[in-house]
Amino acid sequence: DTGVSQDPRHKITKRGQNVTFRCDPISEHNRLYWYRQTLGQGPEFLTYFQNEAQLEKSRLLSDRFSAERPKGSFSTLEIQRTEQGDSAMYLCASSSPGQGRYEQYFGPGTRLTVT
Amino acid sequence: GENVEQHPSTLSVQEGDSAVIKCTYSDSASNYFPWYKQELGKRPQLIIDIRSNVGEKKDQRIAVTLNKTAKHFSLHITETQPEDSAVYFCAVRDDKIIFGKGTRLHILP
Repeated sequence: DTGVSQDPRHKITKRGQNVTFRCDPISEHNRLYWYRQTLGQGPEFLTYFQNEAQLEKSRLLSDRFSAERPKGSFSTLEIQRTEQGDSAMYLCASSSPGQGRYEQYFGPGTRLTVT
Repeated sequence: GENVEQHPSTLSVQEGDSAVIKCTYSDSASNYFPWYKQELGKRPQLIIDIRSNVGEKKDQRIAVTLNKTAKHFSLHITETQPEDSAVYFCAVRDDKIIFGKGTRLHILP
């Protein structure tokens, strides 16, 4: 499968715990995006990387959230001290300016449930 | 920042009829407008897009129109079929995507 992959697909955690999600983009894509989607809403932008550089962060990305892309390939999104309001689907997408510049390809998402 | 409004939130149409979803945006500098379809439990899928240098684009039963002066764009689905039932999102793309809140489309038998 050469698409965007995310791991895990589902995560259930207790409030106050830390969680980390991983995204593997399409291999030649240099841009990687994180979005969050709550039930009944459209995806909301969180942050994006070009190679290893984090170029933009949304106001939604509180101090408890941190994202990295250390080698310009896979990325991780960590949430510290999870809250019930963090329950959502976390979507990753990737794109390449050199290939159909505007299209972002989405992964299957990681569904987080905070109890 | 950019704001995207989408209407209606829910739409039910008889199979074979047409469906229209409308969106407005706030940033006049925006120049790329994709539409996504999301089935239950699945990832958003790009179904059609339009750039600001054209007013209309069609792909089989799906068409999108853009009015840059009024800052609105619409999705038209003709001859609707049961498999068209899904949530549809309009969006504006800069580097990131700003999505509308979605329209849940029900195709009635």
